[in-house]
Amino acid sequence: GAGVSQSPSNKVTEKGKDVELRCDPISGHTALYWYRQSLGQGLEFLIYFQGNSAPDKSGLPSDRFSAERTGGSVSTLTIQRTQQEDSAVYLCASSLGAGRLDQPQHFGDGTRLSIL
Amino acid sequence: QKEVEQDPGPLSVPEGAIVSLNCTYSNSAFQYFMWYRQYSRKGPELLMYTYSSGNKEDGRFTAQVDKSSKYISLFIRDSQPSDSATYLCAMSAVQGAQKLVFGQGTRLTINP
Repeated sequence: GAGVSQSPSNKVTEKGKDVELRCDPISGHTALYWYRQSLGQGLEFLIYFQGNSAPDKSGLPSDRFSAERTGGSVSTLTIQRTQQEDSAVYLCASSLGAGRLDQPQHFGDGTRLSIL
Repeated sequence: QKEVEQDPGPLSVPEGAIVSLNCTYSNSAFQYFMWYRQYSRKGPELLMYTYSSGNKEDGRFTAQVDKSSKYISLFIRDSQPSDSATYLCAMSAVQGAQKLVFGQGTRLTINP
């Protein structure tokens, strides 16, 4: 079956513009995660969705960042008024559940965002 | 100070060598430990996970956790050029690992 799909794979935009990044999780996976990976840095947690529960937004770095998950499947991460420090790879992951280590997170290949 | 520290490398070794990759951490609540492999321009993939202290072996890979020292290691035996990638450690205080805390990754190159 298909893995986690992210689009676009690359995005270049001007400072101040808004961007939307899309994630299609693996079918049937109830948990969905967004991470940010900056050059030379590990993955930084942004937000987590689990089923119909309220998302855990504790990792979002500012109110310019938001995410939604429609119908328990596709998720969109939106960055408003982009800044140069937002340049990074944005990774999405999904998992079958969120309660067991043998249900690991499966990652997409990311969206490489460059802010000019 | 970061919660998880990992030497970014780069680390370059000849084919067949034993590789040791390490992470240290400061949060004593971490109980679940994972190693991810990330090829260039790809997402990370889970290699191994362990719970609490001890060793776990899977083929050429061995994960080791020493909670008393807050230190974890990944050993790769008989390293192959296909093992060339960035290796990320990750850990969590709770099972399910909703919010994994990652090290910055070690870039490894195995030279034929």
